[in-house]
Amino acid sequence: DAKTTQPNSMESNEEEPVHLPCNHSTISGTDYIHWYRQLPSQGPEYVIHGLTSNVNNRMASLAIAEDRKSSTLILHRATLRDAAVYYCILRDHFGNEKLTFGTGTRLTIIP
Amino acid sequence: TAGITQAPTSQILAAGRSMTLRCTQDMRHNAMYWYRQDLGLGLRLIHYSNTAGTTGKGEVPDGYSVSRANTDDFPLTLASAVPSQTSVYFCASSDSWEGVEGDNEQFFGPGTRLTVL
Repeated sequence: DAKTTQPNSMESNEEEPVHLPCNHSTISGTDYIHWYRQLPSQGPEYVIHGLTSNVNNRMASLAIAEDRKSSTLILHRATLRDAAVYYCILRDHFGNEKLTFGTGTRLTIIP
Repeated sequence: TAGITQAPTSQILAAGRSMTLRCTQDMRHNAMYWYRQDLGLGLRLIHYSNTAGTTGKGEVPDGYSVSRANTDDFPLTLASAVPSQTSVYFCASSDSWEGVEGDNEQFFGPGTRLTVL
C-alpha cells in the first residue's frame, strides 16, 4: 500500500472548523483514501472515504486534490468529542481489506 | 446489534503461559482481522481472515495463531506469551471485498489490554 504523511498533532478551538491534511504523493489510480479516527481508550472508527470526488457525510467532509496526491479531512464544527487520533489510509480497490495504519494526527480541541 | 465483542477486557498473563483472546461479530461479515496497538503507535495487522475457513498472515504474525471455524468467531491465540506481546489488541470485521468496490468500512471492537509479565 502507498504511504501517507500526516502532521503528528494539531489543535483547534471548539466550535471552529478543522482541516486535517494528508499527503499521499505515491497514490495509485486504484487507491481509495480512507479516514478513521480513534477516540481515547476506544477502537478506531470509520469516518469517511473517497476516490476522486469530494465526499460529505454526517461526520465530516473529504476534499481530494485534483492530482490526488493530497487530501484534507474537514470537521465543520469541532466539539470536544472530536478529540482523537485521525488516520489517513490508502486502500487498493483491487487489494484485500487490510488497513495499514500510520501514526496519525492527534487532534486536541481547546474549549 | 452488539457489533463486535471482545473478551476479556483486560488480562495480566505470566510469561510462558498461553491465552486465547476472543472476538465475535454479529454482522455476518466475511472478513475479520486482529491488530495490535503499542503505546503511541498506530495499529499493526497480526492475522486476517477473508472468509470462514481461511486465514492469512499480517505484518506481525510471529507468536500468534488464529482460526476461523465459522463466520462469527475469530479467536487469537498466544501459545507461549512473552513480554513483547504486551499491547492492546483490536479485532475488526468488514464485508468481503469480493464483488464490491474494495472500500468496505471496518468495524472495530473495544479492544483487549494484555500485559505479559
